[in-house]
Amino acid sequence: SQKIEQNSEALNIQEGKTATLTCNYTNYSPAYLQWYRQDPGRGPVFLLLIRENEKEKRKERLKVTFDTTLKQSLFHITASQPADSATYLCALVRNSGYALNFGKGTSLLVTP
Amino acid sequence: SAVISQKPSRDICQRGTSLTIQCQVDSQVTMMFWYRQQPGQSLTLIATANQGSEATYESGFVIDKFPISRPNLTFSTLTVSNMSPEDSSIYLCSVERPARETHGYTFGSGTRLTVV
Repeated sequence: SQKIEQNSEALNIQEGKTATLTCNYTNYSPAYLQWYRQDPGRGPVFLLLIRENEKEKRKERLKVTFDTTLKQSLFHITASQPADSATYLCALVRNSGYALNFGKGTSLLVTP
Repeated sequence: SAVISQKPSRDICQRGTSLTIQCQVDSQVTMMFWYRQQPGQSLTLIATANQGSEATYESGFVIDKFPISRPNLTFSTLTVSNMSPEDSSIYLCSVERPARETHGYTFGSGTRLTVV
């Protein structure tokens, strides 16, 4: 079955440090992978999409890598801020259809 | 860019009753997706709603329990029928945005349902 696994433990880091979140997947052959942010009581918000032929993608303080051999994506937030505290979700399009499957998410807490 | 208006934002319902959740998109979309997010869990796809055809349900979800309507390309409803406390969850609708590369999928703000 298709699986998306993210760090199950919450990640606590100090403001200004780099947060690194991991996403591993099995039984997918994705053309691209997406990352979303979810705040409590809100729907997920799209952050970045990285294609299978892209090793790395950046957007402001965000950086995503995608290794289709390892079946893994890493999501980095540099110079983290308390406002970055949220749950971050890794998502892949299902092999059947167009809907997204999500990992369980990693909760990030950035403390001053 | 697609914006989704979802309502109600929250509701507390008696067991055995039904609740209908509405999602209105500000542009025409082919497919709309309905998800459930149980407390502390990630999103689980309930069904895919296409205009003009029956919704496609995922394993574990049935039409009698979660009937879906898709009367046009900008609107859909999900009904949670004959509710029990196990149905207490956040329900979300979603669409894929045309500029997927830069905008991904858009989600409604969610409906927090509590069944008592």
